Amino acid sequence: DQQVKQNSPSLSVQEGRISILNCDYTNSMFDYFLWYKKYPAEGPTFLISISSIKDKNEDGRFTVFLNKSAKHLSLHIVPSQPGDSAVYFCAASGWPGRETSGSRLTFGEGTQLTVNP
Amino acid sequence: ETGVTQSPTHLIKTRGQQVTLRCSSQSGHNTVSWYQQALGQGPQFIFQYYREEENGRGNFPPRFSGLQFPNYSSELNVNALELDDSALYLCASSVSGRKTDTQYFGPGTRLTVL
Repeated sequence: DQQVKQNSPSLSVQEGRISILNCDYTNSMFDYFLWYKKYPAEGPTFLISISSIKDKNEDGRFTVFLNKSAKHLSLHIVPSQPGDSAVYFCAASGWPGRETSGSRLTFGEGTQLTVNP
Repeated sequence: ETGVTQSPTHLIKTRGQQVTLRCSSQSGHNTVSWYQQALGQGPQFIFQYYREEENGRGNFPPRFSGLQFPNYSSELNVNALELDDSALYLCASSVSGRKTDTQYFGPGTRLTVL
């Protein structure tokens, strides 16, 4: 049961343009989401997060949008740079419906972003 | 400030053997989570340790076990290795076990089971 899904295995964009990475989740009890970036031979690096009480969060070139009714979130990168080329993972944090007893990240399968110069 | 470190970087074992992977958490963090990432997939949650006690477990069999030490470093032990255990094992630390606390990852240990 894949509770967090990234349906696009890869995305290719030109430098300077917008990159849009998408993520869907199935469990409506998830209420906190994160995006991580991963380069080969490195661990995932935290990019940005969003709580379900918001529908948008910005940090520099990165913006995450959350549509709770559609159970969909997206990461926008503007402008895209060649150094952004990496695998991007969407993750939901916590145990659905449980406020305590620790946290866990449920990841999607990842999207390989390639930014061409 | 030292980030999350893991050892060893790579490891090759044979089926049926046992393995221990190690993780040092980031300074000031008391929570460590372990994840398994198979090729082409996202990381899968194994378990979490908070203040030396298991604080949640994913869908992994009991032959996956762990420890957390008073300095908050952690070990992941896998007994009776199977071929499907070949994966990248990631450790992440966070300030506490709250779901809004960002988890910071180490570089991982690549385990190959032959």
